[in-house]
Amino acid sequence: DTEVTQTPKHLVMGMTNKKSLKCEQHMGHRAMYWYKQKAKKPPELMFVYSYEKLSINESVPSRFSPECPNSSLLNLHLHALQPEDSALYLCASSQADRPYEQYFGPGTRLTVT
Amino acid sequence: SQQGEEDPQALSIQEGENATMNCSYKTSINNLQWYRQNSGRGLVHLILIRSNEREKHSGRLRVTLDTSKKSSSLLITASRAADTASYFCATENTGNQFYFGTGTSLTVIP
Repeated sequence: DTEVTQTPKHLVMGMTNKKSLKCEQHMGHRAMYWYKQKAKKPPELMFVYSYEKLSINESVPSRFSPECPNSSLLNLHLHALQPEDSALYLCASSQADRPYEQYFGPGTRLTVT
Repeated sequence: SQQGEEDPQALSIQEGENATMNCSYKTSINNLQWYRQNSGRGLVHLILIRSNEREKHSGRLRVTLDTSKKSSSLLITASRAADTASYFCATENTGNQFYFGTGTSLTVIP
């Protein structure tokens, strides 16, 4: 199984809502990533988990809160988002010692109203 | 933040023609990869070239790397309409940081 799954595919939320994005992989990868991608731009790294521990936080606002409950799951909790946070949120995974070979999920298209 | 710049930003060719896109980067790297992204979807890893390699092939893909010029190129031969997508280079630098380039949007006209 070389698939990374993400749910939901689409999410519309108000600025006062709390929601979560979910990502799952069963490839035995011990590194997982969250990226944010705006239209016609490259993905921007947000967070990296390695062996279920947060290893990189690229100065992301606290309204984004990642969580890695186990080696297969990665969540991104959202609270009090702004309209400019609307984007495609991509999850990826890799072997911990091969961060350059990442497998991406299809993404969650988030719209903040 | 991003490390690589790609050109052209957009490329439109006829089916059967070759497509070439270029990536330039700023610091020393361990390796460089190319990814493809269909519209609004996740990225697919295409090919990796290590810093001590100069050329690599995979099917209709040919990648070159010139570390002295800090640049790479991706050639897609005999293009097909299904190759229409955005293509990103990504570099792992010697500090183990990973950055995507700005991307090239390729349109292959049937």
